[in-house]
Amino acid sequence: KNEVEQSPQNLTAQEGEFITINCSYSVGISALHWLQQHPGGGIVSLFMLSSGKKKHGRLIATINIQEKHSSLHITASHPRDSAVYICAVRKETSGSRLTFGEGTQLTVNP
Amino acid sequence: GAVVSQHPSWVICKSGTSVKIECRSLDFQATTMFWYRQFPKQSLMLMATSNEGSKATYEQGVEKDKFLINHASLTLSTLTVTSAHPEDSSFYICSASDAGGYQETQYFGPGTRLLVL
Repeated sequence: KNEVEQSPQNLTAQEGEFITINCSYSVGISALHWLQQHPGGGIVSLFMLSSGKKKHGRLIATINIQEKHSSLHITASHPRDSAVYICAVRKETSGSRLTFGEGTQLTVNP
Repeated sequence: GAVVSQHPSWVICKSGTSVKIECRSLDFQATTMFWYRQFPKQSLMLMATSNEGSKATYEQGVEKDKFLINHASLTLSTLTVTSAHPEDSSFYICSASDAGGYQETQYFGPGTRLLVL
């Protein structure tokens, strides 16, 4: 079992829909990252969380440390949101290294 | 936000040659840089952690003599794939952190696609 698991693996939505991507982890962490990888391969760091909730534009990220769970929400989804969304954690025992989930492929259709 | 560049973005080479990939932090000093490899439809795999002025720390299973990493300045790290073989064909991504990597986010480069013929 992977230390970081994401669901769903693939998600197709219609433009305007509210989207949720989930991330569960089984280790103690010091921080959790949500990353976005576009088809060309470039990666953008969306959020870094250690507690609570963060919001940036249409994106919202939450984390529940006790339940070892994080969610990434996209409101009013748009085709340009189509990308792979990756959850990554910084484990308490691994210093600065990140452990990655398998990613969620999101496709938003017009 | 912080910007990290990689050069080249694409490289095709013959088997047996060496390829150097550069990773630069353009608007901040990167005390720590990370090198990742990603195969199609798979997640990123950390290859090594590079700290300015010291030897890189390689992950288990990564050959340090094959993947040479140099972090000579606070804005530049290089990855050299020596004697490249077709199985080294992959997408190589670097990331950089400006606070020793412990508290700050990592900023990712755009990646380099390597094809070894």
